[in-house]
Amino acid sequence: NAGVTQTPKFRVLKTGQSMTLLCAQDMNHEYMYWYRQDPGMGLRLIHYSVGEGTTAKGEVPDGYNVSRLKKQNFLLGLESAAPSQTSVYFCASQPYGRTVPLHFGNGTRLTVT
Amino acid sequence: KNEVEQSPQNLTAQEGEFITINCSYSVGISALHWLQQHPGGGIVSLFMLSSGKKKHGRLIATINIQEKHSSLHITASHPRDSAVYICAVNYGGSQGNLIFGKGTKLSVKP
Repeated sequence: NAGVTQTPKFRVLKTGQSMTLLCAQDMNHEYMYWYRQDPGMGLRLIHYSVGEGTTAKGEVPDGYNVSRLKKQNFLLGLESAAPSQTSVYFCASQPYGRTVPLHFGNGTRLTVT
Repeated sequence: KNEVEQSPQNLTAQEGEFITINCSYSVGISALHWLQQHPGGGIVSLFMLSSGKKKHGRLIATINIQEKHSSLHITASHPRDSAVYICAVNYGGSQGNLIFGKGTKLSVKP
């Protein structure tokens, strides 16, 4: 059982380049999330999805787009990377229900130069 | 603004000590999560609480809804408990809209 898998694990981009981060989960969870983690700050929600074909903005959505065409996959896109997007990105999934735990991927470390 | 405050920010303990990490939040919540982030970076969910107390092995989590406060206790601490412990709360609305604390970095010395 793989759980939540993020690819890639590391990436270096130049300013203005684009890329897509992939999150895949094999637990049939309804909810999926993208967070960023920066030094001295708590995890912050970028976008989330409550089911296939639906997405919603979180706390820090600017500069990112997402898609959830299949229930098991949640993609995070950076159309034109900026140095401020240098961060560690975590994907998480959760079944429906407020009293259930989150399952996290291992993170993607992105550096934008 | 909804905030989550953790204390202490850093904690060093000797192996075997009893450890307490605190989390306070500002308004009513529907759920509170305790997470563990290891030095390698991976994040694991430890507990999810909406009331009362939960125990798993040497870890105990409590929540006081009236006081808007939660604690994570580690009994008989061990160097392998060294990690960052993160509190996160759900203020309602979508279950996915969590606010995270900045974490407590715990180091347990042998």
